[in-house]
Amino acid sequence: DIVMTQTPLSLSVTPGQPASISCKSSQSLLYSDGKTWLYWYLQKAGQPPQLLIYEVSNRFSGVPDRFSGSGSGTDFTLKISRVEAEDVGVYYCMQGIQLPRTFGQGTKVEIK
Amino acid sequence: QVQLQESGPGLVKPSQTLSLTCTVSGGSVTSGSYHWSWIRQPAGKGLEWIGRIYTTGGTNYSPSLESRVTISVDTSKNQFSLKLNSVTAADTAVYYCARTSRYGSGWYLFDYWGQGILVTVSS
Repeated sequence: DIVMTQTPLSLSVTPGQPASISCKSSQSLLYSDGKTWLYWYLQKAGQPPQLLIYEVSNRFSGVPDRFSGSGSGTDFTLKISRVEAEDVGVYYCMQGIQLPRTFGQGTKVEIK
Repeated sequence: QVQLQESGPGLVKPSQTLSLTCTVSGGSVTSGSYHWSWIRQPAGKGLEWIGRIYTTGGTNYSPSLESRVTISVDTSKNQFSLKLNSVTAADTAVYYCARTSRYGSGWYLFDYWGQGILVTVSS
């Protein structure tokens, strides 16, 4: 199985300030079709996860543009340019190149 | 509007079979544009993919659960189901159903989720 490792595991951010989460995979997520199968999800308290970013850097429908994803191969980053109160929750990266799908441990983002 | 809703018993005895159903509205389980998955989350822990079913009825399962899992689809009810045999306390978790959808040359993995159902394994 591909191991996904996120850092940090928790983050406390002042509203309006940026935040960054790192995700590393144990194997390259670049597929022969040229796509890199890395996804980001946000799980708010008491809710299911919601898709934020697909294929490294593409925001899903309705996701604010303060969220951005970057990276390649095995190293990826999710950035929030200006954290808002509604961004609190646990962020997960996930690989979609291979079965079984595997998730990072999650990064809990809180507001200071 | 796409909606997924899990249903089933919230309490299962050890060694018995956990059975859950996901009812889909706003999309057909028979469409070749979708895959349908089950994912679980023990309390306070991370996400574990259990398996998926797709339009031909083909399935894939997590190797760690493969010997105990069956995912099936009921096209007449627009539902898909999960059965997990020989459960133990370690199978206690919130169980989610989720959709994967095709767009152009790619896939939105898990773009819609059910609200989740807590299943406790206890005697």
